[in-house]
Amino acid sequence: QKEVEQNSGPLSVPEGAIASLNCTYSDRGSQSFFWYRQYSGKSPELIMFIYSNGDKEDGRFTAQLNKASQYVSLLIRDSQPSDSATYLCAVKGNEKLTFGTGTRLTIIP
Amino acid sequence: GAGVSQSPRYKVAKRGQDVALRCDPISGHVSLFWYQQALGQGPEFLTYFQNEAQLDKSGLPSDRFFAERPEGSVSTLKIQRTQQEDSAVYLCASSLGLYSYEQYFGPGTRLTVT
Repeated sequence: QKEVEQNSGPLSVPEGAIASLNCTYSDRGSQSFFWYRQYSGKSPELIMFIYSNGDKEDGRFTAQLNKASQYVSLLIRDSQPSDSATYLCAVKGNEKLTFGTGTRLTIIP
Repeated sequence: GAGVSQSPRYKVAKRGQDVALRCDPISGHVSLFWYQQALGQGPEFLTYFQNEAQLDKSGLPSDRFFAERPEGSVSTLKIQRTQQEDSAVYLCASSLGLYSYEQYFGPGTRLTVT
């Protein structure tokens, strides 16, 4: 079992709709969780991090964490074509990040 | 500079050659990380420095991989006797230090071994 699991997609969402990206992790002791966006041929860019159970909102993005279920999600509201990218979930342990394989998201105009 | 820089951006090496990849972190950032990203995969941790001290090298795939950060700023990742399976994008990231949540990534070096 991989330490961080994501559905690789592709996930297609109409423009203006909500995109929902999910991630599960295996280390129950993990404390902080990250969502990175990566455009094709570019490096990962941090969107949000979360370390407390519940929701954290930043503009159109909401991260949700459920430590009991070892589950992290990212919601993107009012999806835009510019949101089309690969979204990487990462878990921090001993300073290093462990990434999932990423979910490819396509926003359909 | 404003962000993490890496050089070269692209490197083609013949199998068996040695390569050196450079990372310039954000000024003042204490922690520096190297990751390897194969096509279609997420980045995988290679090694981590705090200042000049290499605190974790558990992700280095073999003894052909070596990293250093002698003055606590610029870091070099060296790969000796390159193999085809070394072909990947090598990403460098830096952060302010311990307990800093954000790691900022450089543009990466795409290594192709022929």
